[in-house]
Amino acid sequence: GAGVSQSPSNKVTEKGKDVELRCDPISGHTALYWYRQSLGQGLEFLIYFQGNSAPDKSGLPSDRFSAERTGGSVSTLTIQRTQQEDSAVYLCASSLDGGRDGYTFGSGTRLTVV
Amino acid sequence: DAKTTQPPSMDCAEGRAANLPCNHSTISGNEYVYWYRQIHSQGPQYIIHGLKNNETNEMASLIITEDRKSSTLILPHATLRDTAVYYCIVRARRNNAGNMLTFGGGTRLMVKP
Repeated sequence: GAGVSQSPSNKVTEKGKDVELRCDPISGHTALYWYRQSLGQGLEFLIYFQGNSAPDKSGLPSDRFSAERTGGSVSTLTIQRTQQEDSAVYLCASSLDGGRDGYTFGSGTRLTVV
Repeated sequence: DAKTTQPPSMDCAEGRAANLPCNHSTISGNEYVYWYRQIHSQGPQYIIHGLKNNETNEMASLIITEDRKSSTLILPHATLRDTAVYYCIVRARRNNAGNMLTFGGGTRLMVKP
């Protein structure tokens, strides 16, 4: 597609449930990034994939968070045993190479844990 | 990556130029200045980047001082749709390694009629 696509756009889940968030990057973009943004806050880096290299997981806040990128394209961010503090907008971005000429972000998934 | 400092908020009259400043006094020789903006309820949008020469594209102009310790993003004729948070980010233009962007607080630009 023309842009980065994320699904679902909104997700409401009960505390303790697992959720999966999906990101379809721009075709041909080798790098993929996940960020989250809590209400009224800045963007917090979570994880970064570049080609076949091992992902940079340094931003994942706990072991309840994991992400994978299959076939170098679609990525799934999984949050296990969700907590209320996980409520945020989860943003995905992709770029050619290392983002030398900018990233393209998706519109995000708004996750609400009740 | 070098730290940046931006004013937390600015107002601009519709149709006038919006000049958004950014200080990056610890910038190193291989670091570029990137600007992104985030309109309410949307993901951030890339605007422009530069190293030391002034840059212009269809969205904005970027003016970087000769010592590279500060820069200004210029929206020449601001519209209501330019109301957003504008982020100035300094980052080495690397290939493949450690390339996540670090977003600070940004400047909340309010364009008023």
